[in-house]
Amino acid sequence: KNQVEQSPQSLIILEGKNCTLQCNYTVSPFSNLRWYKQDTGRGPVSLTIMTFSENTKSNGRYTATLDADTKQSSLHITASQLSDSASYICVVSSSGGSYIPTFGRGTSLIVHP
Amino acid sequence: DVKVTQSSRYLVKRTGEKVFLECVQDMDHENMFWYRQDPGLGLRLIYFSYDVKMKEKGDIPEGYSVSREKKERFSLILESASTNQTSMYLCASSYDPGSYEQYFGPGTRLTVT
Repeated sequence: KNQVEQSPQSLIILEGKNCTLQCNYTVSPFSNLRWYKQDTGRGPVSLTIMTFSENTKSNGRYTATLDADTKQSSLHITASQLSDSASYICVVSSSGGSYIPTFGRGTSLIVHP
Repeated sequence: DVKVTQSSRYLVKRTGEKVFLECVQDMDHENMFWYRQDPGLGLRLIYFSYDVKMKEKGDIPEGYSVSREKKERFSLILESASTNQTSMYLCASSYDPGSYEQYFGPGTRLTVT
């Protein structure tokens, strides 16, 4: 069964600090991996999408990495801001059979001033 | 920009009532999805549709039905609302369900009393 596991479940950091969120998946065959940011009370919004051949992709202060061999991805946030407080969801899509993406349960990030 | 709208941000209904949640997208996307999101459980797929009048069950379809009479509109129906259906409901659309980004609406917070 396809699964996406995220860690940590929650994280509290001080404004200005860096942090890294982890995503491990067992989805196969792999098509792509996306990171979404979901602000409280809002729908998720895509941050990055990574395909098999991509190792690193940046979107401003967000940098996602992908290791397709170990089936791991990380989302690194640099110089955190209060507006980074949100839930970050890892979503993996398969290229075979089911076209429904598999969602992780998310990491809740709180940035304190 | 893709826009996905949902008919209500907040809804309060009584047990046994019939509830309609409507979702409209303006990008001519083929595929539309309904999820519910609960703390600690992440997003769970209720139903999806890959074409007008077509629908497929997701992971948790029990107690729900859907309708897609027009390409841009996808409705979620709770035939007889129950308290365990209190949740955040998110609608999404995509051009390609497997490879492309899902665009989410703002969500409907449904409370069944």
